Amino acid sequence: AQSVTQLDSHVSVSEGTPVLLRCNYSSSYSPSLFWYVQHPNKGLQLLLKYTSAATLVKGINGFEAEFKKSETSFHLTKPSAHMSDAAEYFCVVSPAAGNNRKLIWGLGTSLAVNP
Amino acid sequence: SQTIHQWPATLVQPVGSPLSLECTVEGTSNPNLYWYRQAAGRGLQLLFYSVGIGQISSEVPQNLSASRPQDRQFILSSKKLLLSDSGFYLCAWGRQAGNYNSPLHFGNGTRLTVT
Repeated sequence: AQSVTQLDSHVSVSEGTPVLLRCNYSSSYSPSLFWYVQHPNKGLQLLLKYTSAATLVKGINGFEAEFKKSETSFHLTKPSAHMSDAAEYFCVVSPAAGNNRKLIWGLGTSLAVNP
Repeated sequence: SQTIHQWPATLVQPVGSPLSLECTVEGTSNPNLYWYRQAAGRGLQLLFYSVGIGQISSEVPQNLSASRPQDRQFILSSKKLLLSDSGFYLCAWGRQAGNYNSPLHFGNGTRLTVT
């Protein structure tokens, strides 16, 4: 069975410091993995995706994530946080098998950025 | 380019009243369509998905129903709202089955409050 675990429900950083949002997954197949961001009362925006090409994936707004199969992790990082990064972040697994595209969602990590 | 429109943005309805939320997608054909509900601190819950006109799959038993009268239109309905139907509803589209590494694209959501 597939699953996604976001290890921190809340993360707080100071502006200009690095961001690390942790995600572990479980999948019987080689999955695709995504990170989405959601600002308050808004829809979800795709930050980046891993699709079995390069293990280090660069996304929008300076975010990147590294797929580590041995650790079953897909942590999201950014070298320097900006106030506008304050939002909810979701790690998502897309199973390689199946024809209905039912994604498996983490519960989210709320990122606070302090001035 | 593809766009997704979801309305209304906010809605306050009394218990027992009907509901109709609409979502339309432009710029793509034969999309998979999804309705999600998001409750605070509980991530995203898939309610319905559709792989074609008139084809609806329900993920959880509930007071809601969905319909897809046109390829690009997805409607979420209820005959009688319950207090527990309050939440943030998100519509999304994705490419057809088999392309598991393509992401979902979300509307801006509808905040429903049942009073």
